[in-house]
Parts: sequence; C-alpha cells; structure tokens
Amino acid sequence: AQSVTQLDSQVPVFEEAPVELRCNYSSSVSVYLFWYVQYPNQGLQLLLKYLSGSTLVKGINGFEAEFNKSQTSFHLRKPSVHISDTAEYFCAVRSFGNEKLTFGTGTRLTIIP
Amino acid sequence: ETGVTQTPRHLVMGMTNKKSLKCEQHLGHNAMYWYKQSAKKPLELMFVYSLEERVENNSVPSRFSPECPNSSHLFLHLHTLQPEDSALYLCASSQDRTGGIDTQYFGPGTRLTVL
Repeated sequence: AQSVTQLDSQVPVFEEAPVELRCNYSSSVSVYLFWYVQYPNQGLQLLLKYLSGSTLVKGINGFEAEFNKSQTSFHLRKPSVHISDTAEYFCAVRSFGNEKLTFGTGTRLTIIP
Repeated sequence: ETGVTQTPRHLVMGMTNKKSLKCEQHLGHNAMYWYKQSAKKPLELMFVYSLEERVENNSVPSRFSPECPNSSHLFLHLHTLQPEDSALYLCASSQDRTGGIDTQYFGPGTRLTVL
C-alpha cells in the first residue's frame, strides 16, 4: 500500500520569505512523486514531478523539491514567496506497478504582506 | 476551449433530485477520472475510464453513476444524494493510464451542495 503524509495543514509565511512544505510518503516499492497546486476556485495544477534521475526537481513558478529516499520525503521549497503563491498544495505518490495516484490532505499556504 | 472543462461550476440540489455533472477534455487524452474532494480529507478517486471503458470503481455508492460516451466526455449522474455527498467533484484526464507516467490534468471542479 502507498500513502502520503503532509504534516502541516496550514503554513503562514511573510512575503519574500522562503518556504518549505513537507511531504512524507510510504511505499514498499519505488515511487513516483508529484506536487500539485490548487488556487482558490480552481482545479489542481501540476507543479513538478519526480520520476527518476536527479533528486532535485525544478517546477513552475520558482518551486523545487528534493527526493530523499532514506527519509522517504519529498519536500517542496521556494526561496522567496509572493502573494500569488497563496493556494493549497498537494503531495501525491504513485508506486511502481500501481496506477493509482494517492494524495495527501494538502497544505494551505498563506502569504502575509 | 483548452484543457479540461467542467459544468456546472456550482450545483445545489435536494436529496430527491436527479442531476448530472459534465466534464470535457480538449487534450486528446484516452483516460478520464472522477475525484471527490471533501474538506480536510485527501482526494478520493471515484472512477477511472480508459478508452471509454470503466476500469476502476472505488466502492462508490450506486447513487453516483458515471458515463463516458467518448474519449472526450465524461458524465457523473447523481440521484437521491445525501448531505454528506456535498463536496468539490473534480474531473481529470491523462494521455494513457497504462504504461508510462502520464500527468493528470484537472478541471476546475463542480461545487456540489446537497440540502
């Protein structure tokens, strides 16, 4: 079975400060990992994904994430946030041989001016 | 229109009503999905269609009935719903659900309220 844990349900950050959104996963086999963003009143949009290769993955809007197999983590980071980054962020995992995408409960990022 | 569209965006219905949610994808994909998004809970996969054939049904109550007439359109027919069915219903599509790691593209969702 595969699962995802997003430890923080809400993260407030001052504008232009760095941010890290945490994601840990569980799977008995190798995995593919994803971060999606949901802006208010919109559907989910893919930010970035890890399939293989370099453990540091760069996505859209200046976000990046690092795959850490030993810690089973895939934390999302941005060095300087903007008001427009206010949204809910979802981590998702898909195990090798399993076509189902399992999502975490989401982290609401609030940017403080 | 580009991407994945859903109509209506908002729907309020009584428990005895019958309504349908519509999803259309303009990406040339072969697989389509229905998800339920409730507050404080992970997205729940409800149904998966691949090449218009239902390939997964995650123990969804029969009051939800999906239909996929072609690879571009997906419907979710609703009847005799319960208040706990109130949620955001998201449609997604991907190139293929078999082989490869295909990205799922999501629509904006339909906000359903059951009174």
